[in-house]
Amino acid sequence: KNQVEQSPQSLIILEGKNCTLQCNYTVSPFSNLRWYKQDTGRGPVSLTIMTFSENTKSNGRYTATLDADTKQSSLHITASQLSDSASYICVVSDRGSTLGRLYFGRGTQLTVWP
Amino acid sequence: EADIYQTPRYLVIGTGKKITLECSQTMGHDKMYWYQQDPGMELHLIHYSYGVNSTEKGDLSSESTVSRIRTEHFPLTLESARPSHTSQYLCASSDQARYEQYFGPGTRLTVT
Repeated sequence: KNQVEQSPQSLIILEGKNCTLQCNYTVSPFSNLRWYKQDTGRGPVSLTIMTFSENTKSNGRYTATLDADTKQSSLHITASQLSDSASYICVVSDRGSTLGRLYFGRGTQLTVWP
Repeated sequence: EADIYQTPRYLVIGTGKKITLECSQTMGHDKMYWYQQDPGMELHLIHYSYGVNSTEKGDLSSESTVSRIRTEHFPLTLESARPSHTSQYLCASSDQARYEQYFGPGTRLTVT
């Protein structure tokens, strides 16, 4: 069964600290992995997209890694800010259909305290 | 910032009412999607469209219906709302070449 599991479910850190969020998946065949940020009451916004051949991609203070062999990804946030408080969702796409079906994780709820 | 819009943002209605959730995008994308999301849970695909006059049901069974008469417009209709329809509904679009899906801000629906 194709699944995407994220950990931790929730995380509280102090402003300025770094943190790492984890994503494990069993989706096969694999096409790409995305990390989205979803603020409360809003739609998800893409942070990074990585294909099979990419193992690191950065977007400002966000750095995503991908290990396609172990089917694991992480999202590292550097020097956290209050505005980083949101849910971070890992999404994996297969290449088994023209739709490129997406499998969503439940997200990690990050809270940054001052 | 993606140019995809949803209205209304919040809606509280009584059981049995007919409602239409609007979604429009100005990017000329062929593919559009509707997702349902409950608090703390993952997004579930309920409808998608490859283009005008093309609509398909997604993975999660839904009593809603959709139409795609124009490229930019993908409304979702519930003929008779029930409390079980209470949820957040997210619309998204993507073009043919990119992996990216752009999401609207969502409609938070509450059926009393």
